[in-house]
Amino acid sequence: DTAVSQTPKYLVTQMGNDKSIKCEQNLGHDTMYWYKQDSKKFLKIMFSYNNKELIINETVPNRFSPKSPDKAHLNLHINSLELGDSAVYFCASSQEGSYNSPLHFGNGTRLTVT
Amino acid sequence: GNSVTQMEGPVTLSEEAFLTINCTYTATGYPSLFWYVQYPGEGLQLLLKATKADDKGSNKGFEATYRKETTSFHLEKGSVQVSDSAVYFCATSGTYKYIFGTGTRLKVLA
Repeated sequence: DTAVSQTPKYLVTQMGNDKSIKCEQNLGHDTMYWYKQDSKKFLKIMFSYNNKELIINETVPNRFSPKSPDKAHLNLHINSLELGDSAVYFCASSQEGSYNSPLHFGNGTRLTVT
Repeated sequence: GNSVTQMEGPVTLSEEAFLTINCTYTATGYPSLFWYVQYPGEGLQLLLKATKADDKGSNKGFEATYRKETTSFHLEKGSVQVSDSAVYFCATSGTYKYIFGTGTRLKVLA
């Protein structure tokens, strides 16, 4: 059973389009995250949600809108895609706010904007 | 806020060589420290963790000790294998936020 699954794995689209990435976790965790990994492998947090509530928005442009319909799902919608949005996006989850609890990652969505 | 600094790669070693990847951190409070590994085309996997000072995390022959006096969490392995080739990330926890280092690419040659 996949613990954190995200779809699609690859996403190729043109500038100006709108796209969504879906994420689901079956670990029973309360907290979910979106991270962006750039071409140099640098990982930056974008959002964190706890029990469907937004906790952290790390100065992400308004074109990015996360939505958490329940605590097992955290989707990411991106409007008006730009070239600079090309990256790998990772969904992750952890136990609620626990300093000791590790992150569990999905396998990533590679977004390419042309 | 918390931050992590790790050595830049790439690190290239021969099989059975000794590995050290340095990691230092700055933090308020008492965060946990983690090492993650990322294989090509995959997400990050937890390699090991330590939750308090002097804790040693270990897994698959890898070890790291949480040293508060030097604010370090260096990753070590006594004898690397070709299958250890990957990118390694040091990370620290915070409130609803985990901070990662820049990653160190390891390449092990047969």
